[in-house]
Amino acid sequence: DTAVSQTPKYLVTQMGNDKSIKCEQNLGHDTMYWYKQDSKKFLKIMFSYNNKELIINETVPNRFSPKSPDKAHLNLHINSLELGDSAVYFCASSQDHQGAQGYTFGSGTRLTVV
Amino acid sequence: SQKIEQNSEALNIQEGKTATLTCNYTNYSPAYLQWYRQDPGRGPVFLLLIRENEKEKRKERLKVTFDTTLKQSLFHITASQPADSATYLCALENTGFQKLVFGTGTRLLVSP
Repeated sequence: DTAVSQTPKYLVTQMGNDKSIKCEQNLGHDTMYWYKQDSKKFLKIMFSYNNKELIINETVPNRFSPKSPDKAHLNLHINSLELGDSAVYFCASSQDHQGAQGYTFGSGTRLTVV
Repeated sequence: SQKIEQNSEALNIQEGKTATLTCNYTNYSPAYLQWYRQDPGRGPVFLLLIRENEKEKRKERLKVTFDTTLKQSLFHITASQPADSATYLCALENTGFQKLVFGTGTRLLVSP
């Protein structure tokens, strides 16, 4: 059983389109995150949710909108995709918002905007 | 400005030797520091966590040290194996900020 699963694994789309990435965790964790890894492999936090409540919203364009229907799911919707959005997006979860027992990451969604 | 720095150059070592990776940080007051392993095409995998009041932590062949005066953590893999080849990321949470900030990672290559 995959602990943190993301779909799709690959996403190729044209500029201007709207797309969503889904994430689910079966660990019973309270907190979920979205990270972006750019072409230089730098991993940067975008959002975090604790028990469906947004607790971190980094300086991310408002074209990116996370949604957490329940604490096991955190989806990422992106409007009006731009070339610069191309990256690998990772979902992660931790037992609580302090993350003191480590984060569990999904295997990533490689988004390519053409 | 805040920085977490890891050696951007790949570290090449021979099988059986000890690999030592460095993580230096500036303008953070971390409650703890974590180390992750990332393989190509995969997400980071949590390895070890060390708290600000701990000097050293061990897990099997892994050892992490944390010096809050030097603002540095060292990550050691003893008796390294080719299967240890991967990128290793350090990450820290600034006290009270509830988010994990990652360094840029160091690629380790262990040759037979």
